[in-house]
Amino acid sequence: ETGVTQTPRHLVMGMTNKKSLKCEQHLGHNAMYWYKQSAKKPLELMFVYNFKEQTENNSVPSRFSPECPNSSHLFLHLHTLQPEDSALYLCASSQAGSNYGYTFGSGTRLTVV
Amino acid sequence: DAKTTQPTSMDCAEGRAANLPCNHSTISGNEYVYWYRQIHSQGPQYIIHGLKNNETNEMASLIITEDRKSSTLILPHATLRDTAVYYCIVRVADRDDKIIFGKGTRLHILP
Repeated sequence: ETGVTQTPRHLVMGMTNKKSLKCEQHLGHNAMYWYKQSAKKPLELMFVYNFKEQTENNSVPSRFSPECPNSSHLFLHLHTLQPEDSALYLCASSQAGSNYGYTFGSGTRLTVV
Repeated sequence: DAKTTQPTSMDCAEGRAANLPCNHSTISGNEYVYWYRQIHSQGPQYIIHGLKNNETNEMASLIITEDRKSSTLILPHATLRDTAVYYCIVRVADRDDKIIFGKGTRLHILP
């Protein structure tokens, strides 16, 4: 247990479904991140939230919609996904402005069928 | 653009020291060197970081050259559980920073 909890651990969804990934941190951090890791590819940064404000959106398609209601929670809402969106989705948190590292969750393994 | 260069893969015998190199020849004066590792299908795990001086913690040692253009992560007594992908990252630790991962080094610990 790293202090960053992601649920669910595994998710299978159809292309017409709507689902949400949840991330929660109890580390008192003020920045949270979504990363995507496709098979045999490096981690790709998707979204950055600093102090609940979205500060980065790395050209992510609109079928991925992040939400950060407070500094401890981060969601990734999914709708009308494609099979190529199947990947490991990782959440991380940090104390922005400090030189401490990011703390990652264990990820959600998403399969789109 | 990950700004670092690492070998694609390395092998190390169990019980021996694993030395993982990283080149970061364009590093800026205010950028730190960080190391993370990712065991298969898990989230990356922070290992160690440094600015100029060598650093040591319970997991590893980090040796940074005097010109800061390269560094080496040392796992002093590698075990099978150290088999993972190791990422070397340079990062400015300010409010707007973000970690960009490269391909890392796949380290195989051989029994």
